[in-house]
This record gives sequence, C-alpha cells and structure tokens, in this order.
Amino acid sequence: GENVEQHPSTLSVQEGDSAVIKCTYSDSASNYFPWYKQELGKRPQLIIDIRSNVGEKKDQRIAVTLNKTAKHFSLHITETQPEDSAVYFCAASTSGTYKYIFGTGTRLKVLA
Amino acid sequence: NAGVMQNPRHLVRRRGQEARLRCSPMKGHSHVYWYRQLPEEGLKFMVYLQKENIIDESGMPKERFSAEFPKEGPSILRIQQVVRGDSAAYFCASSPIGDGYTFGSGTRLTVV
Repeated sequence: GENVEQHPSTLSVQEGDSAVIKCTYSDSASNYFPWYKQELGKRPQLIIDIRSNVGEKKDQRIAVTLNKTAKHFSLHITETQPEDSAVYFCAASTSGTYKYIFGTGTRLKVLA
Repeated sequence: NAGVMQNPRHLVRRRGQEARLRCSPMKGHSHVYWYRQLPEEGLKFMVYLQKENIIDESGMPKERFSAEFPKEGPSILRIQQVVRGDSAAYFCASSPIGDGYTFGSGTRLTVV
C-alpha cells in the first residue's frame, strides 16, 4: 500500500546550523508533497509544498527538493532558530484522491 | 477569515458513550477531511467529504465510526461506543480544490 517513510525521527542542531529531513514515498503516482510544522498541542501548519513538475522550491530559510526518480524529497532549514523547534511532517498525495499519506514525523530541537 | 473551526477542543467520554466532533471549514471551502493522530504518531487519513457526499472513507474503521457533511452546518465525525483505543487527537482540514489543506486546531478525545 501507499507509504511514506521519514527520517530521522529526532534531530538536534545548534542554533544557526542547518537541518535536513528526508522522506521517501512508495506511490509513483504521487505528485504533491506538502510539509507541515506542528508545535506541541497545536494544529499542523503548512510551511512549504512542492509539485512533481518542480525539482526545488525555496521560501526564505526553508527549501524543499524532490527527486522523482528516487521517489524521495527533503526539507532543508538553514540558519535554524529556537522557534523552529517543533515536529515536522512530510506528506505525499495524488491529485484526484486528495488523501495525504503522512510520514511519522521528525522532532527538531534547536539548541540555543 | 476565521479558519477551520473545530469543537470541542477537548472531549472526555466514558467507555461506551458516544463522541461527536464538529468541524466548520473555512469560508469558501467545500472539501473536508478528517485525520486521526495518536500520541507520538503521524496523522492518519480517515475520510474525505464534500457537501452531502462521502468521497473517500477508506481510512474509517468499519464499525462505530461515521462522518457526514450536510448541506447546512458543520461536518460531524461520530464515534459510537467509544473505547480507550479511540483516545487521540482528531484533526479536520478543509480546502477549496483538494490540495493545500488548512487544518483546524483539533479535538483531543480522552476515553476514560
């Protein structure tokens, strides 16, 4: 069945360093890949997304890359700040189903 | 725009009781999705609805769970005869065209 694997499950970085979170998806028909940030006890919030016709997308300190051949995509956060500390979820979706398959999450801790 | 509104935020039910979770989508959004998040886990798709129609309920347990999105009023996720294993955060999301969900703040159900 459809599956999204996400690594690592926890990640600690020093403030100012970069953080990279990687996801692999199984359904080759997937064509939309959002990333969500969830702070403790709060709603998941969309931070960036990418579609399969694009290889990379940037938004200030956040970037996402997509490798369709290998079926994996990654989130890159540069110049990390303490407020980046949260759980990050990747997801994959196929237009027409609108169902998101989420990864299991990465708990990012940015150490001041 | 008030965003996706879910209520109640917290719900405590005794085993065997019924739980009713409500979700009002963002203004102009006609697609509603329900996801369940168990502690320390990712979000699992439950059901996708449009007004008066269930589009995809492949993630719904076969028994005790039902969902509706009537012509008027909020979407309702109903859990009958709750058990301890139903304790989770239930998130509703809405979108105008299918991609790019906006999540609500969730309902945290505790079964005692």
